[in-house]
Parts: sequence; structure tokens; C-alpha cells
Amino acid sequence: NAGVTQTPKFRVLKTGQSMTLLCAQDMNHEYMYWYRQDPGMGLRLIHYSVGEGTTAKGEVPDGYNVSRLKKQNFLLGLESAAPSQTSVYFCASRKDKTYNEQFFGPGTRLTVL
Amino acid sequence: QQQVKQSPQSLIVQKGGISIINCAYENTAFDYFPWYQQFPGKGPALLIAIRPDVSEKKEGRFTISFNKSAKQFSLHIMDSQPGDSATYFCAARKDLDSNYQLIWGAGTKLIIKP
Repeated sequence: NAGVTQTPKFRVLKTGQSMTLLCAQDMNHEYMYWYRQDPGMGLRLIHYSVGEGTTAKGEVPDGYNVSRLKKQNFLLGLESAAPSQTSVYFCASRKDKTYNEQFFGPGTRLTVL
Repeated sequence: QQQVKQSPQSLIVQKGGISIINCAYENTAFDYFPWYQQFPGKGPALLIAIRPDVSEKKEGRFTISFNKSAKQFSLHIMDSQPGDSATYFCAARKDLDSNYQLIWGAGTKLIIKP
């Protein structure tokens, strides 16, 4: 089992460019999450999904969109990147509401110039 | 009400010593308190967790102490080893209405000196 994988690992964008981050999990988990991690601020939830075809806003959703067309994939999109979106992005999955543990991917380091 | 405050921001401990990281919360509806460990270049991984109906949970060298009345909980690492050098995050779980989201502390960078 690969667990949670994220693509790409690194990316540099110019202001105004768009991109999509892909998260995939092979554990048949229902819940998936996108976080951003910034120094001194811990993990902040961007969007999450409680099942295929569902998405919901987290703490810091502005400037991001998500889609969960397949249960195993959770995509995070940046339509018009801004320097404030420079961060490390983590995807996580969780089996369902009865299990508490979140399993994290290795992260994507995004720099917006 | 929804914050989890974590301290210290960074901590240096000698090998063999005890590392202590503290977290405080305000919302009494939180019902699950995990600690995650993150090594450089990796995602966080669950280390140990506790529910508010117990005051202490121990797994090997790692212990969570929970003080419900003070709304505080802490991670103790006994006999700290260089391999424990990592960033540690505390978190608290919100209620059913938010699909049990986690609220995260800001993290503590722990360095164990040989």
C-alpha cells in the first residue's frame, strides 16, 4: 500500500498562474482533507470531503477550489496564484467518522513568485 | 473558543532528559486530543491520543497528561533520544456538526542534543 501520495512534490508558479495539486489514497478512506502549513501557524484546513462527490470549506478556503470525483482522489486547485499562497500543502485521509486517525501525504512545497 | 495554544515554540533537551510540550484549549466541547509527530520533509503522523475521561495515557516513552479542569494537556517524552527530534503538534477534535475536524496547535520544534 502506498498510503497517501501527493503530486507534485515541488512547484514554482508566477503570480496569476493556475495549477492543480493531486492527492491519491489507496486505503478506501471516506474522508479526505487539504491543509496548508506555514511556519508558526500549524496546520490550517483549506477544504475537506466526507465522501465521493462531496466537498466542504475549512478554515482558509479563499483562493482554492477542490473536487472529489473519485473516492481515491482529492484535487486542490489554485485558479490565480498569489504570493500569499506560498506554503507547504498536505493532504490527509481518514477511514470514516468512527476512526480518528488522519494519514498524511508527504506534502507539496509551492512557491508563488 | 476554537483555538488550541501550544508552547513552547521550540525546545532543546539533552539526550536522556524529559521533553515537555504543553497545550491549552478553551472549548469544553472538544472530546479527543491527539499528538502528531512530523519529521523534516514528511507529513505528520499520529503519535498518541487521549480522551477527556482519563487523566493520563502512556505509550512507551510517550505520555499524555490531561487536566480537564484547567483545560490543558501535555506531552512528556521520557529518556529523550536524538531520533525524537521532530516537530510536534497537539490538536483537539471539534464536534459532530463540523464532521469532527481537528483544530491544531502551532507546533513545537524539538531538538535532542546528543
